[in-house]
Amino acid sequence: NAGVMQNPRHLVRRRGQEARLRCSPMKGHSHVYWYRQLPEEGLKFMVYLQKENIIDESGMPKERFSAEFPKEGPSILRIQQVVRGDSAAYFCASSLAGDSYNEQFFGPGTRLTVL
Amino acid sequence: AQSVTQLDSQVPVFEEAPVELRCNYSSSVSVYLFWYVQYPNQGLQLLLKYLSGSTLVKGINGFEAEFNKSQTSFHLRKPSVHISDTAEYFCAVSEDSWGKLQFGAGTQVVVTP
Repeated sequence: NAGVMQNPRHLVRRRGQEARLRCSPMKGHSHVYWYRQLPEEGLKFMVYLQKENIIDESGMPKERFSAEFPKEGPSILRIQQVVRGDSAAYFCASSLAGDSYNEQFFGPGTRLTVL
Repeated sequence: AQSVTQLDSQVPVFEEAPVELRCNYSSSVSVYLFWYVQYPNQGLQLLLKYLSGSTLVKGINGFEAEFNKSQTSFHLRKPSVHISDTAEYFCAVSEDSWGKLQFGAGTQVVVTP
C-alpha cells in the first residue's frame, strides 16, 4: 500500500522558468493539502483541494501560483516565473476526509531550488 | 487567528535521558492539537493528536503529550530517548473545519550517546 508520492524529489529551475510539482495521494484519498517549508521555518499551509475542486486557497500567493486536482491523475502545484524566494520544500498531504479527525499523510516533499 | 509557538529551536539530550518539547498556542476557538516528527529528507509523520477527551495523549514511539487548556499548551514528552529519536519535531493546531494545519517553527532534537 503505497504512501503519498511526490515527484520530482528535487527540482532545479532558473529564475523565470516554470515549476510543476506532482502529488499522488494514498489510494482511496480524495483530499489533498499543499504546504511550503521555507529554510529554518515550519510548514505553512498553501491550499486544500478535493477532486476537481479548490476548497481553500487562503495560503497561496495571489500571483504565479496555482493548484489543481483533476478527476484522474495527480494533484499539481504550478509555479510560474519562479523567483529565488520560491526556493523551499513543498509537501503535500492526503486524507480520507477533509477534517481534523482524519490523519493527513505526508509525502516526502519536493525540494525546489531556484538559481 | 491562531498561532503556534515552539519555545526551543534546538534541544540536545543524552541517550536514555527524558526530553520535553514545549508548545504553546493561541486561538479564540477550540482547537485540535498535533505533534509531528520529521526525519532528514523525509515527510512528516504523525506522533500523536488531541481531539477531545482525556488531556493526556499517548502516541507512537513512547511519546506522550498533555493538553492544558488554561495554559494553552501541548507539551511533548518522552521518558527515555534513543539515538533514533534525533529529528525535528513540529507542533501543529487546527481550528478549521477543513483540517488545515498551522505549524510551529519546529524543535530540533539531537540525541547523543
